[in-house]
Amino acid sequence: KQEVTQIPAALSVPEGENLVLNCSFTDSAIYNLQWFRQDPGKGLTSLLLIQSSQREQTSGRLNASLDKSSGRSTLYIAASQPGDSATYLCAVQSGANSKLTFGKGITLSVRP
Amino acid sequence: DAGVTQSPTHLIKTRGQQVTLRCSPKSGHDTVSWYQQALGQGPQFIFQYYEEEERQRGNFPDRFSGHQFPNYSSELNVNALLLGDSALYLCASGTDHYEQYFGPGTRLTVT
Repeated sequence: KQEVTQIPAALSVPEGENLVLNCSFTDSAIYNLQWFRQDPGKGLTSLLLIQSSQREQTSGRLNASLDKSSGRSTLYIAASQPGDSATYLCAVQSGANSKLTFGKGITLSVRP
Repeated sequence: DAGVTQSPTHLIKTRGQQVTLRCSPKSGHDTVSWYQQALGQGPQFIFQYYEEEERQRGNFPDRFSGHQFPNYSSELNVNALLLGDSALYLCASGTDHYEQYFGPGTRLTVT
């Protein structure tokens, strides 16, 4: 059974700091991994999708990496801004049609 | 493109009642999945619909049922509501091999 862990549960940083959010998963046989952002009480916004054959993906100030063999992914946020404050969730998919298995998320607060 | 839409936004029901939630997928998407997200938790997979059939199901009781229509829109039905069913219900749409897009969710409160 796939399990996804995100530690710590919450993080507070000053504006401008570069930061790394971690995600680990127990079964390395994944199809892809997706990072989402969730604002309080809202739905999920897809940030980055990494296919199992890829090592990383970049979008603007965000960079996500994937190391399948070690069961880890990181989301790097450069030059953090108060508007980045949200909960960040990672989810893995084991097959093309399969469900997403989520971690509990990391709640990020960026202080002005 | 309106993206994934869900209705209603909020809903308050009493224990024992039944509820129907609705989802319209993003244009071009043929697969709809439903997730339940309790406060402070990650979303949990309920089931997935493809070609009007339930293709996969998570660990949820039979009180949770669904339907997909020919236009790919979907409904989630929950019978005999329990207090523990209070959650944010999320709909996701996609096509095989590509990323999932989520709707804004329906907040269900059971009193």
